Amino acid sequence: IAGITQAPTSQILAAGRRMTLRCTQDMRHNAMYWYRQDLGLGLRLIHYSNTAGTTGKGEVPDGYSVSRANTDDFPLTLASAVPSQTSVYFCASSAGTAHTDTQYFGPGTRLTVL
Amino acid sequence: GQNIDQPTEMTATEGAIVQINCTYQTSGFNGLFWYQQHAGEAPTFLSYNVLDGLEEKGRFSSFLSRSKGYSYLLLKELQMKDSASYLCAITNNDYKLSFGAGTTVTVRA
Repeated sequence: IAGITQAPTSQILAAGRRMTLRCTQDMRHNAMYWYRQDLGLGLRLIHYSNTAGTTGKGEVPDGYSVSRANTDDFPLTLASAVPSQTSVYFCASSAGTAHTDTQYFGPGTRLTVL
Repeated sequence: GQNIDQPTEMTATEGAIVQINCTYQTSGFNGLFWYQQHAGEAPTFLSYNVLDGLEEKGRFSSFLSRSKGYSYLLLKELQMKDSASYLCAITNNDYKLSFGAGTTVTVRA
């Protein structure tokens, strides 16, 4: 594989259920990010990690948690899903956190919470 | 925080030129990115500007004026495959990307 992979591709989930979205990159990038994309709102940052072992909150972190146990993986967990979390979720990575570092995006996970 | 504005939709004819404007307001500025996103796919990097002026890459060019908080993406010799959303994003002092809502460009034959 090359780049970023996400799983699952899509998921329908009952409200109140726990769900983990997986993200793996093989580019040895230090920084990783989770965004949600909603119609008319653009991409919004949920959580980020500047390097393995560290995480930070983005613009819309409530209801989500992340971990960064190693360089390659950055899972996003919804502890108790709610319908407002219906969205397309994109994972991204960048070599570093300099303002010139381009972010590369995974293919996305389409999540529907009923 | 930051405000990023770009038009919602634009339509143009194959072979024509389209200019997508992006205006922004931010407390700190460290660069502006343009991404392309085809329907149902991931955003892909197009360009990065941090200094005033025009950056040209083949059929695509991007312009930045820091004093005016303004950028545009110019698409020349439009092709059907250019039908996509174009996302303007800025980095500020915390080096995080903030995205505009995107401009959907439809290219017609």
